[in-house]
Amino acid sequence: ETGVTQTPRHLVMGMTNKKSLKCEQHLGHNAMYWYKQSAKKPLELMFVYSLEERVENNSVPSRFSPECPNSSHLFLHLHTLQPEDSALYLCASSPELGSGKNIQYFGAGTRLSVL
Amino acid sequence: RKEVEQDPGPFNVPEGATVAFNCTYSNSASQSFFWYRQDCRKEPKLLMSVYSSGNEDGRFTAQLNRASQYISLLIRDSKLSDSATYLCVVNRYPWAGSYQLTFGKGTKLSVIP
Repeated sequence: ETGVTQTPRHLVMGMTNKKSLKCEQHLGHNAMYWYKQSAKKPLELMFVYSLEERVENNSVPSRFSPECPNSSHLFLHLHTLQPEDSALYLCASSPELGSGKNIQYFGAGTRLSVL
Repeated sequence: RKEVEQDPGPFNVPEGATVAFNCTYSNSASQSFFWYRQDCRKEPKLLMSVYSSGNEDGRFTAQLNRASQYISLLIRDSKLSDSATYLCVVNRYPWAGSYQLTFGKGTKLSVIP
């Protein structure tokens, strides 16, 4: 148990659906991240939040919309996704940004299938 | 050139063998380095940080060569439980976005009885 909890663990949705992924960290960290992991590809950083403020958006399509209501919760709202968006979505947290160590702790991920 | 490159493997080794993984990175502004481990269908977990002078944690030894922009991980006396994908991870200097961890695709290791 890493202290980062993601729900749901599995999600199947149609291209016209709207769904949300949830991440909660119990580590007292100030920074949270969304990553996408597709088969045969390295982890791709999507969004970075520090103290509830978005500090990075890595050219992610607008059909992915993040929300960080407080420093321990992070959401990823999904709408009108494409089949190629099917992947493992991982949430991570770290104590802070700007630290040379910046060890990130990952949740177990949400495995998303878009039909 | 990719930011972080690793041999994808798979490496199939017998129990007790010594295995070495290599990783190269392209951004000379990189500041800190890690090895993460990812089991099948699980999340990545930190295995160890990599320090300039090299460091060891039990059966695992990590080395860094800044001049060659090269990182290595050595596993001695392989166990079945070492079977996983090993991810090389690089962090840039603060002015280049120090929160930007860049992951390699990973090297898959299978330890065979």
